[in-house]
Amino acid sequence: DAGITQSPRYKITETGRQVTLMCHQTWSHSYMFWYRQDLGHGLRLIYYSAAADITDKGEVPDGYVVSRSKTENFPLTLESATRSQTSVYFCASSPRRNQPQHFGDGTRLSIL
Amino acid sequence: DQQVKQNSPSLSVQEGRISILNCDYTNSMFDYFLWYKKYPAEGPTFLISISSIKDKNEDGRFTVFLNKSAKHLSLHIVPSQPGDSAVYFCAASPNRGTSYGKLTFGQGTILTVHP
Repeated sequence: DAGITQSPRYKITETGRQVTLMCHQTWSHSYMFWYRQDLGHGLRLIYYSAAADITDKGEVPDGYVVSRSKTENFPLTLESATRSQTSVYFCASSPRRNQPQHFGDGTRLSIL
Repeated sequence: DQQVKQNSPSLSVQEGRISILNCDYTNSMFDYFLWYKKYPAEGPTFLISISSIKDKNEDGRFTVFLNKSAKHLSLHIVPSQPGDSAVYFCAASPNRGTSYGKLTFGQGTILTVHP
């Protein structure tokens, strides 16, 4: 099915572990984004990518790493997870910069 | 520093009546605005957008109004339906500069429409 999918949907891990959240879109959209949603903050941009091999920081990038070797995939890695990174993570994509972004259903990440 | 604010955490409305959700922004560089709806355990879904060259945009039951001088936008839902019950986020972006295309979201407003 066409769309944007995130995996896993739920993840529990421990502080200090590395964890990677996956995002895959089938629209061939150039732009992809990672957000985190926390109570009282709405959604905050972590990283975004304008095309394969082009990434840039958003509002809250510390502690996260991204890569984009293929247009359709945009994984987000927490290299050494901390409790403050417990959140719901959303991936989104759009064909051009100022067009509506389409979101995946999120990954709920708990760090113990 | 919250550049996009939704000051009402929740709103309760009777079915068939109008729902008005409000959003204020502080960054004068913002000139593209969007509303998203979010159900539990799902991602946000795009509803409607408006650029700063307009002051109103309609799509069916949804209308967004933009008051640039007041740095305020609102979403009107008429008539409201129980299926509209969700969290609504407003978002804004500049159309130029290093933040071009990056969305800044408000905190969200929980809308409950009672049958």
